[in-house]
Amino acid sequence: QSVLTQPPSASGTPGQRVTISCSGSSSNIGSNTVNWYQQLPGTAPKLLLYSNNQRPSGVPDRFSGSKSGTSASLAISGLQSEDEADYYCAAWDDSLNGPGFGGGTKLTVL
Amino acid sequence: QVQLVESGGGVVQPGRSLRLSCAASGFDFSTYGMHWVRQAPGKGLEWVAVISYGGGNIYYGDSVKGRFTISRDNSKNTLYLQMNSLRVEDTAVYYCAKKMGGDWTACPDFWGQGTLVIVPS
Repeated sequence: QSVLTQPPSASGTPGQRVTISCSGSSSNIGSNTVNWYQQLPGTAPKLLLYSNNQRPSGVPDRFSGSKSGTSASLAISGLQSEDEADYYCAAWDDSLNGPGFGGGTKLTVL
Repeated sequence: QVQLVESGGGVVQPGRSLRLSCAASGFDFSTYGMHWVRQAPGKGLEWVAVISYGGGNIYYGDSVKGRFTISRDNSKNTLYLQMNSLRVEDTAVYYCAKKMGGDWTACPDFWGQGTLVIVPS
C-alpha cells in the first residue's frame, strides 16, 4: 500500500471548487513539506505545488495547497475540463530515506 | 530547458537483468540529486531509489533493495538503474526525476517521459 493516503476518486462540475486530502504520519508530512503532482493521461507527472503551497511558474493560481500536522490538502477552484487528471501527493519520509507517495486521486470533471 | 530522456526499457524474462539510462540536459546535472520512480500499469507512483549529486548517498525502496543499483556518471550527464533478478511485479514505467534543489529531503520536480519495462509471467 502507499505511504500516504488519498481518496481514490474525486469529482466536480465546471466552475466548482474541489479538494483532495492526503494523510500521512510524523515521519513524512509531520516533519517535511508536501508536493503535489498532476498526471494527465499517458503523460509523466508534472509538479503542481511544492513546499505545501508554492506554485511553480506557469501553474494557475486556481491550484492551492495547505498542510496541518500530518495531513495536507490540494484545492482546485474554478474547475475546468482540462483539470481532469490523476493527482498525487508526496513528502519525504525520514524512515524510508526517500519520498513517500499517495496512491493517487482520479479527478473527474462532470 | 530541463530534459530527461530515459532509455533501455523492454521485455525481459523473470530472473534476468536490464539497465536503464537517463540522459540529462538543460541543467547542471552534477549538482542535483536524482530519483528513479516507477508506475505499474494502472497503478500509482512508487519511489525506487535516490542518489545524491556526487553519488555518495544512495537509498532504495524496500521492494528493490538488494536487486537494483542506482548510479550516475556526471561526466556523461547520465543516471543509471541496474535491475537484476527481475520479477513480474517489476513491470512498470520507470521515470527518472530530478531532485528539487540541494536539500537531501527534496522530492522530484522535473520528470522524464519514462521507459516501459515488462517482465512477463
